[in-house]
Amino acid sequence: DAEITQSPRHKITETGRQVTLACHQTWNHNNMFWYRQDLGHGLRLIHYSYGVQDTNKGEVSDGYSVSRSNTEDLPLTLESAASSQTSVYFCASSDGADTQYFGPGTRLTVL
Amino acid sequence: GENVEQHPSTLSVQEGDSAVIKCTYSDSASNYFPWYKQELGKRPQLIIDIRSNVGEKKDQRIAVTLNKTAKHFSLHITETQPEDSAVYFCAASIGSGGYNKLIFGAGTRLAVHP
Repeated sequence: DAEITQSPRHKITETGRQVTLACHQTWNHNNMFWYRQDLGHGLRLIHYSYGVQDTNKGEVSDGYSVSRSNTEDLPLTLESAASSQTSVYFCASSDGADTQYFGPGTRLTVL
Repeated sequence: GENVEQHPSTLSVQEGDSAVIKCTYSDSASNYFPWYKQELGKRPQLIIDIRSNVGEKKDQRIAVTLNKTAKHFSLHITETQPEDSAVYFCAASIGSGGYNKLIFGAGTRLAVHP
């Protein structure tokens, strides 16, 4: 079955380290999104992509970057992890018809 | 910028009662409004959605209503059950022609007590 996966599911890192979170979908969706979820803030959009080589900044993009080299993957990189980036990160994809399907999430702790 | 406000932030009901969650959005061009349910430690999952050409949509015990003039939409859950306990998120779409994104509300934590 087609699906969307994220790895790792849990990650502990130290301040200042570079971290990459993986997102992989097998639906052949053009649109992919990264969100962070913190108590009281719901789901906030970090970066998104509408297709290969396309990336766009969301409302909380500072300190994060993405690249889209193929349809299936949209990795999220924290260039220099900060404690404020401790959060749960969700990847989502859609076929352009608006409905987004979420991955299982990655819980990131920055010490 | 675009914004979605969601109320209440917490809601406690007795099993069998109804629950209503309300959202307002700022972008009058928004035309798609999904609702997601997120159980503890799980991913958000779509439970119902509505497009701007429809005023109401029902699926068993859940329904969504949309008032485009007032820019607000609501989720209605009837005959609530303990398994309805979760966090519910509303969202509104921004964009068109396949180049869309969602703006989410802050969520409502629903507790259904037996």
